[in-house]
Amino acid sequence: ETGVTQSPTHLIKTRGQQVTLRCSSQSGHNTVSWYQQALGQGPQFIFQYYREEENGRGNFPPRFSGLQFPNYSSELNVNALELDDSALYLCASSPSYNSPLHFGNGTRLTVT
Amino acid sequence: TQLLEQSPQFLSIQEGENLTVYCNSSSVFSSLQWYRQEPGEGPVLLVTVVTGGEVKKLKRLTFQFGDARKDSSLHITAAQPGDTGLYLCAGGGNTNAGKSTFGDGTTLTVKP
Repeated sequence: ETGVTQSPTHLIKTRGQQVTLRCSSQSGHNTVSWYQQALGQGPQFIFQYYREEENGRGNFPPRFSGLQFPNYSSELNVNALELDDSALYLCASSPSYNSPLHFGNGTRLTVT
Repeated sequence: TQLLEQSPQFLSIQEGENLTVYCNSSSVFSSLQWYRQEPGEGPVLLVTVVTGGEVKKLKRLTFQFGDARKDSSLHITAAQPGDTGLYLCAGGGNTNAGKSTFGDGTTLTVKP
C-alpha cells in the first residue's frame, strides 16, 4: 500500500510568482485536505476536496486554489506569492471525509 | 472560531521521566485527535477520542478527553529518546476529520 506522496519536497520561489504543489493520495482514498504549517505553528486548514469537488475552505484568500483529479490526486496552486506564504504545505488523504487523516511529508516552500 | 491551546510549548526531560502535556479549548469538540510529528515529516495520528471522560492507552502513552469535551491530556510514562517530537492536538467534528483545527503543539525532547 502506497502512502501519501507530495512533490516537490522543497521549492524556492520569488515574491509575486505562482507555484503548483502536487499530492498523490493513498490508494482508495477519495478525500484530500491541504494544510499550511508555518514554522513553530500547527497546521492550518486550507481546503478539502471530496470526489473532485471543493468540500470546505479555511480562512485563506482566493489566490490559494486547488484541484482534485479523477484518480484522486490533487494540486494546490498559489498565485502572487507573498513572503508569508513560506511554510510547509501538507496534504492529507482519507477514505472518506469522516475518516482519520493520513499525511504526506509535505512540501517546504520558501518565498524570497 | 474554535481554538486549541497546547501547553507547555517546549518540554525537555531526561530519559525515564514521566510527563503530561495539555490541550485546552473554550469550545466543545465532538472528537479530538493527537498526532506526533518528527522533523521533515508529516503528522502521524496517535489516537482519536470521542467520548467525554474517555481514557485511551497506547503502550506508555495515556490519552484523556475531558468530561466536557473541551480539553485533553497526553501522559507519557518512562519517556524514551524515541518519544522526541512535536505533539499536536486537533479538534474536528465526527462528520469531517479533514477540516481539523490544530493547536501549535508541544515540542518534546527526551535526553538519553
